[in-house]
Amino acid sequence: DAKTTQPPSMDCAEGRAANLPCNHSTISGNEYVYWYRQIHSQGPQYIIHGLKNNETNEMASLIITEDRKSSTLILPHATLRDTAVYYCIVRVSTQGGSEKLVFGKGMKLTVNP
Amino acid sequence: DVKVTQSSRYLVKRTGEKVFLECVQDMDHENMFWYRQDPGLGLRLIYFSYDVKMKEKGDIPEGYSVSREKKERFSLILESASTNQTSMYLCASSPGIYETQYFGPGTRLLVL
Repeated sequence: DAKTTQPPSMDCAEGRAANLPCNHSTISGNEYVYWYRQIHSQGPQYIIHGLKNNETNEMASLIITEDRKSSTLILPHATLRDTAVYYCIVRVSTQGGSEKLVFGKGMKLTVNP
Repeated sequence: DVKVTQSSRYLVKRTGEKVFLECVQDMDHENMFWYRQDPGLGLRLIYFSYDVKMKEKGDIPEGYSVSREKKERFSLILESASTNQTSMYLCASSPGIYETQYFGPGTRLLVL
């Protein structure tokens, strides 16, 4: 089962910041939070990941709360091409000693003109 | 750029057929993964491989097997396709266990 919960959908106006929330209240101390997105009919695309500190790259910013129980992905200036399903994922250990990403159902972001 | 390719975008097979889905990555990645994606269920991990000839079951391995004879190629095999295996199949690779996964475009399989 996914260790994260996200709202099923969100709307955002073009040009505004999109703040995508994620809860991961059972996250362990060494588990990273990843964000991917999937545009219709394409494979998922990596956005950003983090452990404790806030992270920023050319696509987005990731804000992780101090207790690590939740995080927010920020798209600073949403465009129509950012319309996609966004997945907040926690990497978990496997029985074989490696790790895997557990995808939940994600959140559909619709950017409106 | 990392490139992960899948042999077909669309595939139609009949119940009972043996089906091979091929995935190739060109970045010398250690790890490769097979997922299936169904409406309302998100992505679910079928199998993954962390080295040549090494594999580990994911969350839904039943009805599937895999083969990794070469580092760049990871095959998903449906020994006897069934209608409930109609789905979108996604392959991914990553440089190491703790690294970002890069996905292919997906294969949409229809089993009649």
